[in-house]
Amino acid sequence: KNQVEQSPQSLIILEGKNCTLQCNYTVSPFSNLRWYKQDTGRGPVSLTIMTFSENTKSNGRYTATLDADTKQSSLHITASQLSDSASYICVVSDPSGTYKYIFGTGTRLKVLA
Amino acid sequence: DTGVSQDPRHKITKRGQNVTFRCDPISEHNRLYWYRQTLGQGPEFLTYFQNEAQLEKSRLLSDRFSAERPKGSFSTLEIQRTEQGDSAMYLCASSSGTGASEAFFGQGTRLTVV
Repeated sequence: KNQVEQSPQSLIILEGKNCTLQCNYTVSPFSNLRWYKQDTGRGPVSLTIMTFSENTKSNGRYTATLDADTKQSSLHITASQLSDSASYICVVSDPSGTYKYIFGTGTRLKVLA
Repeated sequence: DTGVSQDPRHKITKRGQNVTFRCDPISEHNRLYWYRQTLGQGPEFLTYFQNEAQLEKSRLLSDRFSAERPKGSFSTLEIQRTEQGDSAMYLCASSSGTGASEAFFGQGTRLTVV
């Protein structure tokens, strides 16, 4: 069964600190991997997208890495802000086509002042 | 057109009633997806349209669920004889359908069945 697993399930950090979220997947073959940010009660918003040939992709204070050999990805958040409090979801394209996405359960991040 | 629009944002209904949700995708996007998300979980795929054709339905989509996209633009998702287990956030997304194109999500419709 194709799965996307994320860790930790939840995380609390102080404003200004860095953190790293993990994503392991078993989807194969692999098309692309996305990280989404989802605020409570809102739809997910894309942060980064990487194909299997890309190792790292940055979007401001967010940096995603990908190791297609070990099927692992991480999302690093630098100098966290209160507005970073949200769920971060790792999404991998279904191998039957890029039109369907398999979502992880997400990491719930809380940034405290 | 600033993004994917869903209506209503919230819906409370009594068990056994029918409900219908609407999704307006980004205008030039030919792919449209419906997902369901329960509390603390990631979204689960329900169904997918390419233009007006419904190309795939998840087994999560029981006979009580039906989705349409009659003119390849907006889509509706209807749930008949709602059950408490249908309470969830229903998300719609659209994409341009090319390669690794990004899926843009709407704000979702929060359904509560009482």
